[in-house]
Amino acid sequence: LAKTTQPISMDSYEGQEVNITCSHNNIATNDYITWYQQFPSQGPRFIIQGYKTKVTNEVASLFIPADRKSSTLSLPRVSLSDTAVYYCLVGAGYSGGGADGLTFGKGTHLIIQP
Amino acid sequence: DTAVSQTPKYLVTQMGNDKSIKCEQNLGHDTMYWYKQDSKKFLKIMFSYNNKELIINETVPNRFSPKSPDKAHLNLHINSLELGDSAVYFCASSSPGQGAAKNIQYFGAGTRLSVL
Repeated sequence: LAKTTQPISMDSYEGQEVNITCSHNNIATNDYITWYQQFPSQGPRFIIQGYKTKVTNEVASLFIPADRKSSTLSLPRVSLSDTAVYYCLVGAGYSGGGADGLTFGKGTHLIIQP
Repeated sequence: DTAVSQTPKYLVTQMGNDKSIKCEQNLGHDTMYWYKQDSKKFLKIMFSYNNKELIINETVPNRFSPKSPDKAHLNLHINSLELGDSAVYFCASSSPGQGAAKNIQYFGAGTRLSVL
C-alpha cells in the first residue's frame, strides 16, 4: 500500500488560500490521489480526486507534479467553516473493495482563524 | 434522504455485553466498509464487503463480526465488549466509478461507542 505523509496541523486566516501537501513517494502507476475532509463528530467527506496534473472543482484544486510523488490540495479563500481534518489517500481504487486506497493516516488538522 | 445511515448514533454499554451497529446505504453501491476511529483520531479500515461477500478483514478480533444481509446493509456485531473497543465506528460505501471517479467513499455520521 502506498504510504502518505502530511503535516499534522496547519493554521491560516479567513480569506487566505491554503495549500496542504501530501507526500506519497511509492505511489504506483494505477494509483489515484483522493482527499477527504472531516469535521468533528462527522464522517469524512470526499473533496477531490486526481491522477496527474491539475484538477479543479467547486470546492478545491488538486495539483499533482509529473513524478506524482506528492500532491497539493489548494483551498481558495478559506473561511472559519473550513476548519477540519484533511486526509490524503493513495490507491488504485479497486472496485472489488480491496484495502488499497483505504489507509487514512492521521490527516492534517487545519485551523482557520478570524 | 441520508445516503449512508448508521444506528444508533451513541451507544453506551458495560464490559462483556454484546451489541450491534446497523448501517444502510441507499446509493446503490456494491461495496461497504466499517472503519474504527479511536481517541487519537486515527481512522482504520476494519472490514469491507463487496456484494455481500467479505473482501477485507484487517486483523480485527473475532469478537467483531460483520453481517451483510444484502448489498445495501452492513451490520457490525461485537461480542464481549472491552474497554479498548470504545471509539467512533464509521460505515461507508462506494462504487467503482467511471473515468476519474475511482472508489469514492461516502461515510455515515458515525456511532460513538463507549464501553464502561
